[in-house]
Amino acid sequence: DTEVTQTPKHLVMGMTNKKSLKCEQHMGHRAMYWYKQKAKKPPELMFVYSYEKLSINESVPSRFSPECPNSSLLNLHLHALQPEDSALYLCASSQDETSESTDTQYFGPGTRLTVL
Amino acid sequence: AQKVTQAQTEISVVEKEDVTLDCVYETRDTTYYLFWYKQPPSGELVFLIRRNSFDEQNEISGRYSWNFQKSTSSFNFTITASQVVDSAVYFCALNTGFQKLVFGTGTRLLVSP
Repeated sequence: DTEVTQTPKHLVMGMTNKKSLKCEQHMGHRAMYWYKQKAKKPPELMFVYSYEKLSINESVPSRFSPECPNSSLLNLHLHALQPEDSALYLCASSQDETSESTDTQYFGPGTRLTVL
Repeated sequence: AQKVTQAQTEISVVEKEDVTLDCVYETRDTTYYLFWYKQPPSGELVFLIRRNSFDEQNEISGRYSWNFQKSTSSFNFTITASQVVDSAVYFCALNTGFQKLVFGTGTRLLVSP
């Protein structure tokens, strides 16, 4: 069962709000990812957690704060976002035994975020 | 540096036509993996295939087939007898390690009845 779930499906927030995106996988994968995708563009990597530790931060602004409470859960905390942060946020997971791994990444359905 | 080029921005076909989506990649690594993902309007990226650089065998899965040619650094994807449900954006991607997927810009396929 290659399933990654994400909540909420849609989110509208103001620039002063604080909200969180949630991602869950039950495939026993050890790496989890956050991607941002703008319309008509490919996904852009934001963060990678490997064995519950942050292994990659692609110079993402601090208004995005990731958290990995356990190996199955990944959160993205949002605070003081800008309208240009409106996008589809995708979560993914992969088996990844080591940081050099090139295992398949399985994606969730995404959260469509609109910042007003 | 790694790069993936999908020169076809958008392709329109009529149902039952065959269609090929092109993917050209650049890397200096000798070990790498290539992927194709499908993104329907709902947004989820659906994994289609993973191929390593040492396996140049073509692969067929139902109406889908993939042609990997190292000599031309290409990994093309063909849909035979296309259907309306094939309408989506298709991404080719490259991974040379360290968990980083390099995506192409995607090809939007529109299949009309």
